[in-house]
This record gives sequence, structure tokens and C-alpha cells, in this order.
Amino acid sequence: QSALTQPASVSGSPGQSITISCTGTSSAFGGYNYVSWYQHHPGKAPKLMIYEVSNRPSGVSNRFSGSKSGSTASLTISGLQAEDEADYYCSSYTSGASVLFGGGTKLTVL
Amino acid sequence: EVQLVESGGGLVKPGGSLRLSCAASGFTFSTYSINWVRQAPGKGLEWVSSISRTSSYIYYADSVKGRFTISRDNAKNSLYLQMNSLRAEDTAVYYCARDVSVTTLYAFDIWGQGTMVTVSP
Repeated sequence: QSALTQPASVSGSPGQSITISCTGTSSAFGGYNYVSWYQHHPGKAPKLMIYEVSNRPSGVSNRFSGSKSGSTASLTISGLQAEDEADYYCSSYTSGASVLFGGGTKLTVL
Repeated sequence: EVQLVESGGGLVKPGGSLRLSCAASGFTFSTYSINWVRQAPGKGLEWVSSISRTSSYIYYADSVKGRFTISRDNAKNSLYLQMNSLRAEDTAVYYCARDVSVTTLYAFDIWGQGTMVTVSP
């Protein structure tokens, strides 16, 4: 059974850096580097922040960075700002020709 | 402006059917894979289905396989989701979402505003 596991919540103060992890089974990542991260403010459409593990779409702040080591992908947000408070989801293309989302992490900016 | 606009959501009884639509504008619709993603109340995002540029490749989540059918009409710049045998657990906001690249990277950069589907007696 494929699964991507994220912490339910993380928090940080303005200006600090935080990292959100996304741990997957071998089938969850499928041997590919198609790992993405989304920012989701309630009531709005999700926003793509990172794709292919570490690529930022045009317009996304360079305070957001992604990485992957072994079975864990990570999203790091540096210089935390109040507007970064949101839900964050990782996703991956799986060996089963489907896309899997993690359970989501609620980021609180203290 | 590049955008996707969903429609067709509403209240339906268990076992009923509903057809969602997604209208695209501002980009060459026929060159991108498109997906449906949903979010149940209080829950996380769940990928539902994807369709390739020419409809050659279609995939579904196990939770909807055999009940939902994705399709597209490139001439009309439109995506559809036919949902049959609906269950209470299908209650969610349904989003259509475009792949970030014409080469398909399974990352979604353009999302619609979502349409609510409620399955209830």
C-alpha cells in the first residue's frame, strides 16, 4: 500500500526556517523524482510551490526549497512570514500510474 | 488569463449521478494533461483521475475506479467527470488541475476554484 506521511502540524516564528517532511513507501515515490509540494489556504485553490523535487514554478519565492533523500522528501521555508501560514501537501507520481498526496501539514506562524 | 472553471456540482442522493465540467481558457488546452483532485470536508487533497492530451492515457484512483469516467473535448477546451453510483464518501470539493508541463510532470500549476459535490439522502 502506497502512502506519503507528513507531520500533522509544524510551527515557527517570523524569520525562522521550518522543514516539512514527507516520508513515503518505496511504491509511493515509484522510483521517480516527480515529487511536488502545494500550499493551500482554506477556501482557495491549492498553489504549486515545488515540482520535480526541487524546481520552483515561476513566481514562487526562493524562500521555498525542496529536496529528497532516500524515502523522505522535504520542503523548507526560510524567512518565515505570516502569509506562509497554510496547509502544505506533498504529492508524488507512484509506481501504480497514479498521483498520491500526503495527509497534509498545518503550518502555524507564531 | 490562464484559468480553469468548474461547474456541475450540487446535491445528489446516494446511488445517483452527476457530471462535472471544467472549462479552460488562456492556454492551449490540447497540449496538457488534466486531472481531477478532490477535498472532502475537513480532509486532505485526494487525486481522483487524470487524462492525457489526446485521451490516450486515462487513470483513476482505486476509490473511484469503475464508477467515475474522465473525458475531454479539445475542440471545446473542456474536461468532464461523469460520476455514477455516488456514495456519501464522494462528498467533496472537486478541482480540475492542469499539469505544469506539456511533457507531464504530475505537478499541477493551474487549478480551478472548485465545485462542491454533496451526496446525501
